[in-house]
Amino acid sequence: GAGVSQTPSNKVTEKGKYVELRCDPISGHTALYWYRQSLGQGPEFLIYFQGTGAADDSGLPNDRFFAVRPEGSVSTLKIQRTERGDSAVYLCASSLQGAGEAFFGQGTRLTVV
Amino acid sequence: AQKITQTQPGMFVQEKEAVTLDCTYDTSDQSYGLFWYKQPSSGEMIFLIYQGSYDEQNATEGRYSLNFQKARKSANLVISASQLGDSAMYFCAMREFNYGQNFVFGPGTRLSVLP
Repeated sequence: GAGVSQTPSNKVTEKGKYVELRCDPISGHTALYWYRQSLGQGPEFLIYFQGTGAADDSGLPNDRFFAVRPEGSVSTLKIQRTERGDSAVYLCASSLQGAGEAFFGQGTRLTVV
Repeated sequence: AQKITQTQPGMFVQEKEAVTLDCTYDTSDQSYGLFWYKQPSSGEMIFLIYQGSYDEQNATEGRYSLNFQKARKSANLVISASQLGDSAMYFCAMREFNYGQNFVFGPGTRLSVLP
């Protein structure tokens, strides 16, 4: 498809487990963003990639969160030792470098039980 | 510091009436963009309208227009002729082109259109 694709759409995991969330951006978009959204709130910035490198990771809440984008396209957000407070919708977006709006995926709803 | 402020947690509007959703922003970058997104209950984020900091004309897209007042640092969204399908969360966002190019979002306004 032509849009941003996120998998899985839903993920339920036990507290303490490791999870990976995948984002496949729009082809040709060099900028990729991860956000976390809790119910009734605005998207909270986590990390921004320009190409393969993390241009800004100041939003990652702690060292349990890590993201990669090894070939400058698909990105994976990794969460270690998940906690119940990590439960949220994780949104991925992509855009052209230096211009234009961000296009969002449908999100991954993560539930930590 | 909060970069995007949306002071209206919830708004009601009668169908076919116009409504203004407020957004103020804070930046020291001279080059930036302002965006509005709609998020219906389905959860998808839908881009509505964009205003660049150097654009002299207010942006318009169909029933959406952006009331850009640069000196006041405000970028209010105006929806004309409201429809029931406009009921959703609306987010204002900013992208600073010289300071990292990240998109920063406000807390949102929930709009309810009444029949």
